[in-house]
Amino acid sequence: GEDVEQSLFLSVREGDSSVINCTYTDSSSTYLYWYKQEPGAGLQLLTYIFSNMDMKQDQRLTVLLNKKDKHLSLRIADTQTGDSAIYFCAESWGTGFQKLVFGTGTRLLVSP
Amino acid sequence: EADIYQTPRYLVIGTGKKITLECSQTMGHDKMYWYQQDPGMELHLIHYSYGVNSTEKGDLSSESTVSRIRTEHFPLTLESARPSHTSQYLCASSEGQGATEAFFGQGTRLTVV
Repeated sequence: GEDVEQSLFLSVREGDSSVINCTYTDSSSTYLYWYKQEPGAGLQLLTYIFSNMDMKQDQRLTVLLNKKDKHLSLRIADTQTGDSAIYFCAESWGTGFQKLVFGTGTRLLVSP
Repeated sequence: EADIYQTPRYLVIGTGKKITLECSQTMGHDKMYWYQQDPGMELHLIHYSYGVNSTEKGDLSSESTVSRIRTEHFPLTLESARPSHTSQYLCASSEGQGATEAFFGQGTRLTVV
């Protein structure tokens, strides 16, 4: 079955790097995503990685995928107070249909 | 910026009332989705649609129903609201083939008292 796990909380200081981790059980997923949810808002796609890639970098964001261990991580460099939010990893299968299975969400708190 | 809208943003309603949560998108997307978000943050798919006149139940069982009469509109209805329906409901849409992103509305926070 599908099961996606994340740690619930992460607290960092402004300027530090943040690393949010995610483990999943279904290795047949096609894409893995990181979504951000700010208070009172919907979800915003931050980045995604195709399942046959190991790493993807997009400005301050670095996604690492270890398929053997079924582990996905999101690194945010130079974390800012505006990065405080809930971060969800998610997986999907195939393209064109975004039936997403979400992780439990990690609440990131960035202190000045 | 995503053009997907949900109304109302917040709703407090009494037990037994019938409610409809609205979701509209102006992007011409065929596929639309409803997710339920627990107070503890987890999101679960409760309904989805491939296109007009297509509706399917998602992974999490829900007493709500949906309809898809028009491409742009995907309302969710609860015939008789109960406190256990208190949750945040998020609507999303995606393009057809090759889509790698779902666009989310801002959500409706429903409280049933």
